[in-house]
Amino acid sequence: NAGVTQTPKFQVLKTGQSMTLQCAQDMNHEYMSWYRQDPGMGLRLIHYSVGAGITDQGEVPNGYNVSRSTTEDFPLRLLSAAPSQTSVYFCASSSSGRYNSPLHFGNGTRLTVT
Amino acid sequence: KNQVEQSPQSLIILEGKNCTLQCNYTVSPFSNLRWYKQDTGRGPVSLTIMTFSENTKSNGRYTATLDADTKQSSLHITASQLSDSASYICVVSRILTGGGNKLTFGTGTQLKVEL
Repeated sequence: NAGVTQTPKFQVLKTGQSMTLQCAQDMNHEYMSWYRQDPGMGLRLIHYSVGAGITDQGEVPNGYNVSRSTTEDFPLRLLSAAPSQTSVYFCASSSSGRYNSPLHFGNGTRLTVT
Repeated sequence: KNQVEQSPQSLIILEGKNCTLQCNYTVSPFSNLRWYKQDTGRGPVSLTIMTFSENTKSNGRYTATLDADTKQSSLHITASQLSDSASYICVVSRILTGGGNKLTFGTGTQLKVEL
Protein backbone atom coordinates (compact mmCIF):
# COMPACT_ATOMS: atom_id res chain seq x y z
CA ASN A 1 0.00 0.00 0.00
CA ALA A 2 1.84 3.11 -1.26
CA GLY A 3 -0.33 5.72 0.52
CA VAL A 4 0.39 9.22 -0.81
CA THR A 5 3.07 9.46 -3.48
CA GLN A 6 4.66 12.75 -4.50
CA THR A 7 6.96 13.39 -7.43
CA PRO A 8 9.52 14.75 -7.94
CA LYS A 9 11.36 14.70 -4.59
CA PHE A 10 13.57 17.64 -5.55
CA GLN A 11 13.24 20.36 -8.19
CA VAL A 12 15.17 23.49 -9.10
CA LEU A 13 13.45 26.11 -11.25
CA LYS A 14 14.44 29.46 -12.63
CA THR A 15 12.21 32.46 -11.97
CA GLY A 16 9.34 32.52 -14.44
CA GLN A 17 9.37 28.81 -15.26
CA SER A 18 6.29 26.70 -14.72
CA MET A 19 5.98 23.16 -13.45
CA THR A 20 3.56 20.62 -12.03
CA LEU A 21 4.03 18.80 -8.73
CA GLN A 22 2.38 15.41 -8.86
CA CYS A 23 0.40 13.78 -6.06
CA ALA A 24 -1.36 10.41 -6.13
CA GLN A 25 -3.07 8.41 -3.40
CA ASP A 26 -4.30 4.82 -3.47
CA MET A 27 -6.55 4.91 -0.37
CA ASN A 28 -9.70 6.09 -2.17
CA HIS A 29 -9.70 9.24 -0.07
CA GLU A 30 -12.16 11.96 -1.06
CA TYR A 31 -10.23 14.81 0.54
CA MET A 32 -6.85 15.92 -0.81
CA SER A 33 -4.82 19.01 -0.08
CA TRP A 34 -1.54 20.79 -0.71
CA TYR A 35 0.57 22.46 1.98
CA ARG A 36 3.82 24.33 2.00
CA GLN A 37 6.29 24.15 4.87
CA ASP A 38 8.71 27.01 5.46
CA PRO A 39 11.32 27.36 8.22
CA GLY A 40 9.88 28.76 11.44
CA MET A 41 6.30 28.53 10.21
CA GLY A 42 3.57 25.97 10.55
CA LEU A 43 2.29 24.13 7.51
CA ARG A 44 0.06 26.40 5.42
CA LEU A 45 -2.79 25.23 3.20
CA ILE A 46 -2.51 26.16 -0.49
CA HIS A 47 -5.48 24.41 -2.13
CA TYR A 48 -7.75 21.54 -1.29
CA SER A 49 -10.34 19.27 -2.88
CA VAL A 50 -13.27 17.41 -1.34
CA GLY A 51 -13.79 15.19 -4.36
CA ALA A 52 -13.23 14.81 -8.08
CA GLY A 53 -14.16 17.98 -9.91
CA ILE A 54 -14.25 20.11 -6.72
CA THR A 55 -11.39 22.35 -5.61
CA ASP A 56 -11.09 25.38 -3.37
CA GLN A 57 -8.48 27.83 -2.15
CA GLY A 58 -6.64 27.63 1.13
CA GLU A 59 -4.67 30.30 2.98
CA VAL A 60 -1.92 30.92 0.42
CA PRO A 61 -3.29 30.11 -3.08
CA ASN A 62 -1.68 32.90 -5.11
CA GLY A 63 0.64 31.61 -7.84
CA TYR A 64 -0.71 28.07 -7.73
CA ASN A 65 -3.42 26.19 -9.63
CA VAL A 66 -4.96 22.79 -9.00
CA SER A 67 -7.42 20.45 -10.66
CA ARG A 68 -8.98 17.15 -9.58
CA SER A 69 -10.12 15.04 -12.51
CA THR A 70 -9.87 11.71 -10.65
CA THR A 71 -10.15 10.60 -7.02
CA GLU A 72 -6.52 9.45 -7.05
CA ASP A 73 -4.64 12.45 -8.46
CA PHE A 74 -4.30 16.04 -7.32
CA PRO A 75 -1.54 17.92 -9.19
CA LEU A 76 -0.30 21.35 -8.14
CA ARG A 77 0.79 23.74 -10.87
CA LEU A 78 3.13 26.65 -10.43
CA LEU A 79 2.28 29.11 -13.17
CA SER A 80 5.34 31.37 -13.10
CA ALA A 81 7.78 30.42 -10.37
CA ALA A 82 9.08 33.09 -7.99
CA PRO A 83 11.85 32.86 -5.34
CA SER A 84 9.13 33.26 -2.67
CA GLN A 85 7.82 29.85 -3.74
CA THR A 86 11.01 28.14 -2.58
CA SER A 87 9.64 25.71 -0.01
CA VAL A 88 8.86 22.10 0.78
CA TYR A 89 5.48 21.07 -0.58
CA PHE A 90 3.37 18.34 0.97
CA CYS A 91 0.32 16.65 -0.43
CA ALA A 92 -2.09 15.11 2.08
CA SER A 93 -5.28 13.12 1.92
CA SER A 94 -7.95 11.90 4.31
CA SER A 95 -11.12 9.88 4.13
CA SER A 96 -13.00 13.04 4.94
CA GLY A 97 -12.13 16.69 5.15
CA ARG A 98 -14.15 16.98 8.32
CA TYR A 99 -13.62 16.39 11.96
CA ASN A 100 -11.65 13.39 13.16
CA SER A 101 -10.00 11.87 10.12
CA PRO A 102 -6.20 11.98 10.22
CA LEU A 103 -4.30 13.45 7.31
CA HIS A 104 -1.96 11.11 5.44
CA PHE A 105 1.00 13.02 4.05
CA GLY A 106 3.36 12.30 1.20
CA ASN A 107 7.09 12.72 1.72
CA GLY A 108 7.26 16.11 0.08
CA THR A 109 8.79 17.91 -2.87
CA ARG A 110 11.65 20.27 -2.07
CA LEU A 111 11.47 23.16 -4.55
CA THR A 112 14.13 25.80 -5.06
CA VAL A 113 13.46 28.79 -7.29
CA THR A 114 16.53 30.79 -8.33
CA LYS B 1 -6.53 35.23 16.45
CA ASN B 2 -6.35 31.46 16.01
CA GLN B 3 -2.87 30.35 17.01
CA VAL B 4 -0.99 27.25 18.15
CA GLU B 5 2.16 27.72 20.23
CA GLN B 6 4.53 24.87 21.02
CA SER B 7 7.29 24.64 23.59
CA PRO B 8 10.10 24.07 23.85
CA GLN B 9 11.29 24.88 20.36
CA SER B 10 13.96 22.18 20.65
CA LEU B 11 14.94 19.56 23.18
CA ILE B 12 17.82 17.10 23.63
CA ILE B 13 17.41 14.09 25.90
CA LEU B 14 19.30 10.88 26.60
CA GLU B 15 18.01 7.59 25.31
CA GLY B 16 15.73 5.88 27.80
CA LYS B 17 14.59 9.14 29.44
CA ASN B 18 11.05 10.52 29.36
CA CYS B 19 10.06 13.93 28.04
CA THR B 20 6.98 16.12 27.71
CA LEU B 21 6.19 18.53 24.90
CA GLN B 22 3.68 21.35 25.33
CA CYS B 23 1.05 22.88 23.08
CA ASN B 24 -1.09 25.93 23.88
CA TYR B 25 -3.78 27.13 21.52
CA THR B 26 -6.29 29.93 21.07
CA VAL B 27 -8.23 28.22 18.25
CA SER B 28 -11.99 28.51 18.54
CA PRO B 29 -14.50 26.95 18.18
CA PHE B 30 -12.52 23.82 18.98
CA SER B 31 -13.09 20.58 17.07
CA ASN B 32 -10.09 18.37 17.78
CA LEU B 33 -6.37 18.40 18.55
CA ARG B 34 -3.81 16.30 16.72
CA TRP B 35 -0.17 15.40 17.25
CA TYR B 36 2.03 14.49 14.31
CA LYS B 37 5.59 13.17 14.15
CA GLN B 38 7.76 14.37 11.29
CA ASP B 39 11.06 12.64 10.61
CA THR B 40 13.71 14.63 8.73
CA GLY B 41 12.98 14.61 5.01
CA ARG B 42 9.61 12.91 5.43
CA GLY B 43 5.99 13.93 5.69
CA PRO B 44 4.20 14.21 9.06
CA VAL B 45 2.63 11.02 10.46
CA SER B 46 -0.41 11.11 12.73
CA LEU B 47 0.13 10.02 16.35
CA THR B 48 -3.16 10.93 18.05
CA ILE B 49 -6.39 12.84 17.52
CA MET B 50 -8.38 14.02 20.55
CA THR B 51 -11.84 15.55 20.66
CA PHE B 52 -13.25 17.85 23.31
CA SER B 53 -14.42 14.96 25.50
CA GLU B 54 -11.11 13.07 25.50
CA ASN B 55 -8.44 14.14 27.97
CA THR B 56 -5.91 11.34 27.43
CA LYS B 57 -4.97 9.22 24.45
CA SER B 58 -2.07 6.81 24.01
CA ASN B 59 -0.25 5.40 21.02
CA GLY B 60 2.45 3.03 22.25
CA ARG B 61 5.04 5.07 24.16
CA TYR B 62 3.30 8.32 23.21
CA THR B 63 0.59 9.71 25.50
CA ALA B 64 -1.23 12.91 24.67
CA THR B 65 -3.31 14.88 27.16
CA LEU B 66 -5.84 17.62 26.52
CA ASP B 67 -7.26 20.25 28.86
CA ALA B 68 -9.89 22.00 26.78
CA ASP B 69 -10.68 24.45 29.59
CA THR B 70 -7.16 25.88 29.69
CA LYS B 71 -6.58 25.16 25.99
CA GLN B 72 -3.44 23.16 26.62
CA SER B 73 -2.16 19.82 25.42
CA SER B 74 0.96 17.82 26.12
CA LEU B 75 2.68 14.90 24.45
CA HIS B 76 4.58 12.62 26.81
CA ILE B 77 7.18 10.24 25.40
CA THR B 78 8.18 7.36 27.64
CA ALA B 79 11.51 5.51 27.54
CA SER B 80 12.76 7.48 24.55
CA GLN B 81 14.54 5.77 21.67
CA LEU B 82 16.90 7.12 19.02
CA SER B 83 14.08 6.72 16.50
CA ASP B 84 12.02 9.27 18.45
CA SER B 85 14.33 11.99 17.11
CA ALA B 86 11.97 14.08 14.99
CA SER B 87 9.84 17.20 14.92
CA TYR B 88 6.54 16.90 16.80
CA ILE B 89 3.76 19.08 15.47
CA CYS B 90 0.60 20.08 17.31
CA VAL B 91 -2.41 20.80 15.09
CA VAL B 92 -5.74 22.20 16.22
CA SER B 93 -8.91 21.92 14.17
CA ARG B 94 -11.72 24.43 14.41
CA ILE B 95 -15.22 24.26 13.06
CA LEU B 96 -16.07 26.70 10.28
CA THR B 97 -19.39 28.48 9.98
CA GLY B 98 -21.38 26.64 7.34
CA GLY B 99 -19.55 23.36 7.83
CA GLY B 100 -16.10 21.95 7.33
CA ASN B 101 -13.07 22.53 9.48
CA LYS B 102 -9.76 24.37 9.35
CA LEU B 103 -6.45 23.14 10.70
CA THR B 104 -3.95 25.44 12.41
CA PHE B 105 -0.44 24.01 12.64
CA GLY B 106 2.15 24.74 15.30
CA THR B 107 5.76 25.20 14.30
CA GLY B 108 6.84 22.01 16.04
CA THR B 109 9.23 20.90 18.76
CA GLN B 110 12.48 19.46 17.44
CA LEU B 111 13.45 16.49 19.64
CA LYS B 112 16.86 14.87 19.54
CA VAL B 113 17.53 11.66 21.45
CA GLU B 114 21.18 10.92 22.13
CA LEU B 115 23.10 7.94 23.43
